[in-house]
Amino acid sequence: AQSVAQPEDQVNVAEGNPLTVKCTYSVSGNPYLFWYVQYPNRGLQFLLKYITGDNLVKGSYGFEAEFNKSQTSFHLKKPSALVSDSALYFCAVRDVYGGATNKLIFGTGTLLAVQP
Amino acid sequence: NAGVTQTPKFRVLKTGQSMTLLCAQDMNHEYMYWYRQDPGMGLRLIHYSVGEGTTAKGEVPDGYNVSRLKKQNFLLGLESAAPSQTSVYFCASSTRTEQYFGPGTRLTVT
Repeated sequence: AQSVAQPEDQVNVAEGNPLTVKCTYSVSGNPYLFWYVQYPNRGLQFLLKYITGDNLVKGSYGFEAEFNKSQTSFHLKKPSALVSDSALYFCAVRDVYGGATNKLIFGTGTLLAVQP
Repeated sequence: NAGVTQTPKFRVLKTGQSMTLLCAQDMNHEYMYWYRQDPGMGLRLIHYSVGEGTTAKGEVPDGYNVSRLKKQNFLLGLESAAPSQTSVYFCASSTRTEQYFGPGTRLTVT
């Protein structure tokens, strides 16, 4: 079965420190992977995606993610965290059995808390 | 561009009442989706549409119906609301790769 796992419900980091939000996936074939961010009382905003090519993907707000096929992971990273990065982060993978529907399978989310 | 909009933003229903949530997008996307978000469960797909006049069931379709009479609109209906349908509902529309989300509707069923 296809799935996405975000093993940490919450990640705490001090402002200025590097941050990592973990994501692992289970799908057959070549995955399309995504990160979205949700600020309080808002909808999800697209951060970045991996479809093919370079394993290091750069996205919005200084975030990047590294695709690792052997570890089936797609961890989100940022070199220096800001208090304004505090939000709920979702990893998602495209449903490979969805045909041309572009359905996504979401993880349960990781709350990032950046302390000043 | 307004992107994806949802109405209403908040609603309180009594058990057994009905309502319709409206989603509109101005990006000419073919694909549209309805999700519900519950604590600790991420987003779960309720129904989706791959084009005007088409709809299909997602992961948790029971208790909901949808219609896509116009390409830009995707309606989600609750015929007889239940407390288990208390949730935040998000609509999204999609290109071939990226989904764009609306701001959400917070629904409480008492």
